[in-house]
Amino acid sequence: GAVVSQHPSRVICKSGTSVKIECRSLDFQATTMFWYRQFPKQSLMLMATSNEGSKATYEQGVEKDKFLINHASLTLSTLTVTSAHPEDSSFYICSARGGGEEFGANEKLFFGSGTQLSVL
Amino acid sequence: GIQVEQSPPDLILQEGANSTLRCNFSDSVNNLQWFHQNPWGQLINLFYIPSGTKQNGRLSATTVATERYSLLYISSSQTTDSGVYFCAVDVAAGNKLTFGGGTRVLVKP
Repeated sequence: GAVVSQHPSRVICKSGTSVKIECRSLDFQATTMFWYRQFPKQSLMLMATSNEGSKATYEQGVEKDKFLINHASLTLSTLTVTSAHPEDSSFYICSARGGGEEFGANEKLFFGSGTQLSVL
Repeated sequence: GIQVEQSPPDLILQEGANSTLRCNFSDSVNNLQWFHQNPWGQLINLFYIPSGTKQNGRLSATTVATERYSLLYISSSQTTDSGVYFCAVDVAAGNKLTFGGGTRVLVKP
């Protein structure tokens, strides 16, 4: 399938600092990327939809000033957790849509390997 | 919003056994996908299956859209099949998937 690369895989930071997570589509162009959050032993919750060249669309209850999303190119979206606090500790996963029929269907979603954020 | 329920929540299998996972959804969907999350957190797309039946090796899936459910079949299970299986749906074409609660599968050798 299509490859989505996410970095870093794990980050530990002090409370009050900002953390940037990168999500790249390696072998296809992704006009739309999605950012999810997952707590231990729970399902994935959609945080926001990232569209290349335009502002991200945030789900209800997600603070846009806390979780800054930038989709500067067709292959890169970044999520910055600003002024992180312990309650922001979670597993963050990005995904990209498409890749075309070469990867089975334009509607298939492909995921990065996730970033485990721990805020002390 | 749409509700997605998966059953069973947990499943323990002996290696070689077959199993069926179920996904019920509360509204008509335009998009349904099955994913496997391995113990390290990586999600793999198994099937894009808004309707009909597909097979890929030991896995197959069937979605009966009119009755609002989908089934994932695992045959001759292997220890590497362990992990969490998620069903995710979207009522529109935008791919804003809503995930079910998942089925946690443990395959014992």
